[in-house]
Amino acid sequence: AQSVTQLGSHVSVSEGALVLLRCNYSSSVPPYLFWYVQYPNQGLQLLLKYTTGATLVKGINGFEAEFKKSETSFHLTKPSAHMSDAAEYFCAVSLTSSGYSTLTFGKGTMLLVSP
Amino acid sequence: KAGVTQTPRYLIKTRGQQVTLSCSPISGHRSVSWYQQTPGQGLQFLFEYFSETQRNKGNFPGRFSGRQFSNSRSEMNVSTLELGDSALYLCASSRVDSYEQYFGPGTRLTVT
Repeated sequence: AQSVTQLGSHVSVSEGALVLLRCNYSSSVPPYLFWYVQYPNQGLQLLLKYTTGATLVKGINGFEAEFKKSETSFHLTKPSAHMSDAAEYFCAVSLTSSGYSTLTFGKGTMLLVSP
Repeated sequence: KAGVTQTPRYLIKTRGQQVTLSCSPISGHRSVSWYQQTPGQGLQFLFEYFSETQRNKGNFPGRFSGRQFSNSRSEMNVSTLELGDSALYLCASSRVDSYEQYFGPGTRLTVT
């Protein structure tokens, strides 16, 4: 079975600072990996995904993530935080062998951005 | 293209009652998945439907059920509601050939 661990339930940064949200996964087969963002009282919005190919993937709103198989990690970064980035972020894994779209989520990391 | 829609957005029910939630996927998406989100347990997979058939099911009691119609719209039903069923219920749709899921805004269920 696969699992996802997000280190830090809350991360605080200043506006303009680097954002780093950590995600480690456990999977017995090559995974598909995703980052989603959730704003208050809204659903989940896909930020970016890794399926195959290039291990550095770019997403919306200036976010990017790097798949590191040796470290079983998929950390999310953004060079310069904006106030509008304040939200909860979820890392998720989908098994490639399952044949269908079932996501296993981490517990989420709340990103707080101060002026 | 319209996104995933869920109705109702908010619902208040009493213990012991039952509830039905509805989800309309993005046009052309034939797979619909349901998730429960609570502060304590986070996001948990309920079930997934494709072509009116349940293909996968999470670890929830039989009080939770769902179905999918020929137009890919889906409903989930919770019978004999318990206080612990209070949650945000999220629906997601995806294309047949994709693991990428698109989420609706959710239905906030409060059980009193």
